[in-house]
Amino acid sequence: GAVVSQHPSWVICKSGTSVKIECRSLDFQATTMFWYRQFPKQSLMLMATSNEGSKATYEQGVEKDKFLINHASLTLSTLTVTSAHPEDSSFYICSPSGSYEQYFGPGTRLTVT
Amino acid sequence: GIQVEQSPPDLILQEGANSTLRCNFSDSVNNLQWFHQNPWGQLINLFYIPSGTKQNGRLSATTVATERYSLLYISSSQTTDSGVYFCAVSMWGGSQGNLIFGKGTKLSVKP
Repeated sequence: GAVVSQHPSWVICKSGTSVKIECRSLDFQATTMFWYRQFPKQSLMLMATSNEGSKATYEQGVEKDKFLINHASLTLSTLTVTSAHPEDSSFYICSPSGSYEQYFGPGTRLTVT
Repeated sequence: GIQVEQSPPDLILQEGANSTLRCNFSDSVNNLQWFHQNPWGQLINLFYIPSGTKQNGRLSATTVATERYSLLYISSSQTTDSGVYFCAVSMWGGSQGNLIFGKGTKLSVKP
């Protein structure tokens, strides 16, 4: 299967600060990247879809100015949570799309205090 | 949008027992995958199975696309099978990577 890495694996930040999460597809080129988040004891929800070199498309209810996505290369995408608040505390997971079967990164657990 | 329902929501088994997890979906799909989320949150791909039957060791899955359901079978369960099992689908005509997840089945296997 595909190898996907995320960094950091967990982060604690103070309210009002910004956090950047990196997602790398290590063994294939991902033209499309999907970002999901998972609140405790809940399922995964798609946040946004980005294509390499173009602007991301956000799902309804996801603030595009708060969750900045950059997909500048076929192997790297970043998600920046700007002016984080405690309600942004969640598990963020990326999923690069390279074939019909989707693989997921190991996730980043964000805690905003 | 498409609805994905998984049952049962919780399942407790004794080690060695067999189980069947079900996933119903409300519309035609072009992708259906089963995942196991381990205690650290990593989603582990179990099956890519938009139709048909597949087996991998103690696990097997069947999807009947015309009747819009999929089943995941776990035989001779082990404590390491514990975790949450998710079914995820993408709509026919849409991107296969745009997955909609069910709420999961939380499996606990007791020694």
